[in-house]
Amino acid sequence: SQQGEEDPQALSIQEGENATMNCSYKTSINNLQWYRQNSGRGLVHLILIRSNEREKHSGRLRVTLDTSKKSSSLLITASRAADTASYFCATDRSGGSYIPTFGRGTSLIVHP
Amino acid sequence: DSGVTQTPKHLITATGQRVTLRCSPRSGDLSVYWYQQSLDQGLQFLIQYYNGEERAKGNILERFSAQQFPDLHSELNLSSLELGDSALYFCASSDSGRNYGYTFGSGTRLTVV
Repeated sequence: SQQGEEDPQALSIQEGENATMNCSYKTSINNLQWYRQNSGRGLVHLILIRSNEREKHSGRLRVTLDTSKKSSSLLITASRAADTASYFCATDRSGGSYIPTFGRGTSLIVHP
Repeated sequence: DSGVTQTPKHLITATGQRVTLRCSPRSGDLSVYWYQQSLDQGLQFLIQYYNGEERAKGNILERFSAQQFPDLHSELNLSSLELGDSALYFCASSDSGRNYGYTFGSGTRLTVV
């Protein structure tokens, strides 16, 4: 079963709006990572948040982590058409093999 | 350029054939991970190697095998190919401490006809 599951499956917004994606997972983790994938391309690592961190920022990206709810959110502020992509979360499980497991992703479309 | 190199970028082959996908990890990374991405299955972990040794196995078919060589490049061998094997195959690498996430290659698009 997938360790990380993103929600919603698809998101369509206008340029300038904020986009929020959520990720839920099932087991204890060491860290959680967010990736972006443009159509047919490789995944690009965006941000890593450790289990003892609650919030992290990188440019227009803000990631939160709630280990009690086993969930994370990715906020993209002031979105641009170039942000159109699929976004995946991946978790690094604690106490086991360090294999990043991915959800099915959130497909984000930003309309210019 | 992510630093992870995958070749070839595209591969078209017939059912029953055998192909080899190649991956060179980012300089200094000892771990290599192989993933398969298809529309219906999402991104599936296949296998991990660490410094030449198999470390973990995921949903890898018996028809598939992999290895990591002393220079740390890795190869994924797919044999007796079926139409359902058509997918994007990604390689990723990481440093030993996984401090910076995983670096993915641009993938090999395999089409089995």
